[in-house]
Amino acid sequence: AQSVTQLGSHVSVSEGALVLLRCNYSSSVPPYLFWYVQYPNQGLQLLLKYTSAATLVKGINGFEAEFKKSETSFHLTKPSAHMSDAAEYFCAVKTSYDKVIFGPGTSLSVIP
Amino acid sequence: ETGVTQTPRHLVMGMTNKKSLKCEQHLGHNAMYWYKQSAKKPLELMFVYNFKEQTENNSVPSRFSPECPNSSHLFLHLHTLQPEDSALYLCASSPQTGAGTDTQYFGPGTRLTVL
Repeated sequence: AQSVTQLGSHVSVSEGALVLLRCNYSSSVPPYLFWYVQYPNQGLQLLLKYTSAATLVKGINGFEAEFKKSETSFHLTKPSAHMSDAAEYFCAVKTSYDKVIFGPGTSLSVIP
Repeated sequence: ETGVTQTPRHLVMGMTNKKSLKCEQHLGHNAMYWYKQSAKKPLELMFVYNFKEQTENNSVPSRFSPECPNSSHLFLHLHTLQPEDSALYLCASSPQTGAGTDTQYFGPGTRLTVL
């Protein structure tokens, strides 16, 4: 069975500071991993996904995530936060024939 | 229109009403999904359709009834709902189910309030 945990339901950063959103997964087989973002009153939008091709994955809006098998982690980072990054972020895990499992989400606030 | 659209965007209904939510995808996908997103709770998968066939019902109460007439359209029929059913209902689509890295594309959701 798969599962996803996101440490910190709410994260606040200053504008221009590093963004780090944590995601740990549990999977009995090699997983596919995703980060989605949800802006207020909108659906989820894919930021990036890990498909085993490269452990460092670059996504849209300057975000990237690194797959670390030894730590079963897939943390999302951005070097410099922008006000427009304020949103809800969801980590998700999937295996080849299973449904996607979403984490509980982390709400990111950016302080001017 | 492109992507995944949902109508209505907002819906207020009484517990005795019958209403339907509509989802349409313009991506040529074959799988469609209904999710429920409640405050303070993880995203809950409700139903999955693949090539118009329902492949998953995640123990959803019968007051929610899905319909998928073709691969581009998905409906969620609602009747005798409860106040705890108030939530954001999200529709998503993907090329097909079970295909490894397939990304799901989400609509903007319908904000449902049950009085």
